[in-house]
Amino acid sequence: QQQVKQSPQSLIVQKGGISIINCAYENTAFDYFPWYQQFPGKGPALLIAIRPDVSEKKEGRFTISFNKSAKQFSLHIMDSQPGDSATYFCAASNNAGNMLTFGGGTRLMVKP
Amino acid sequence: EPEVTQTPSHQVTQMGQEVILRCVPISNHLYFYWYRQILGQKVEFLVSFYNNEISEKSEIFDDQFSVERPDGSNFTLKIRSTKLEDSAMYFCASSGQTSGGRNEQFFGPGTRLTVL
Repeated sequence: QQQVKQSPQSLIVQKGGISIINCAYENTAFDYFPWYQQFPGKGPALLIAIRPDVSEKKEGRFTISFNKSAKQFSLHIMDSQPGDSATYFCAASNNAGNMLTFGGGTRLMVKP
Repeated sequence: EPEVTQTPSHQVTQMGQEVILRCVPISNHLYFYWYRQILGQKVEFLVSFYNNEISEKSEIFDDQFSVERPDGSNFTLKIRSTKLEDSAMYFCASSGQTSGGRNEQFFGPGTRLTVL
């Protein structure tokens, strides 16, 4: 019940295209859903996060869509750039605890 | 911009030896965490620490592991008797106390532990 499932495992997108990464969770106590970006040899860096009281959050080219009834959330990267090539992790946590449960990661490659 | 720092960047040790991984969290943060990432796998939670005590720990964090905040700036993870399967990247993270800020965890660059 603590798992967060992420798909796809890898994604290749042309420059200027839209990258879409999906996550699903089971634990209804989760109420905080961040996305992290990780470059090789670096730690995960917080990209954008959402709470379940809204269905969408946008920051620049990055948008999180959240579907509470389906227990799914997704990251959309608009106008994808080669510099976006990295591994993306979705995660979830609840207020009662502070541990982050991570999805399996998506390796994104944006081709020039 | 404040950041979490970790030392060493790479630690090689023999099986059965003790290792201490060090972290300096962001200075005004009050919550501290350790995660690990086995090569090619997802990031896994180990332990969280607040007010000088463990607030939550995972099944991975068994008796071989311990954490400590020995002074006002450092946060350490000790593995008493390393096993081959402890080989992984270990990430320290910290978060603040403000509403909403508590969940925003900032990660360090990691320490790669190799157990031979």
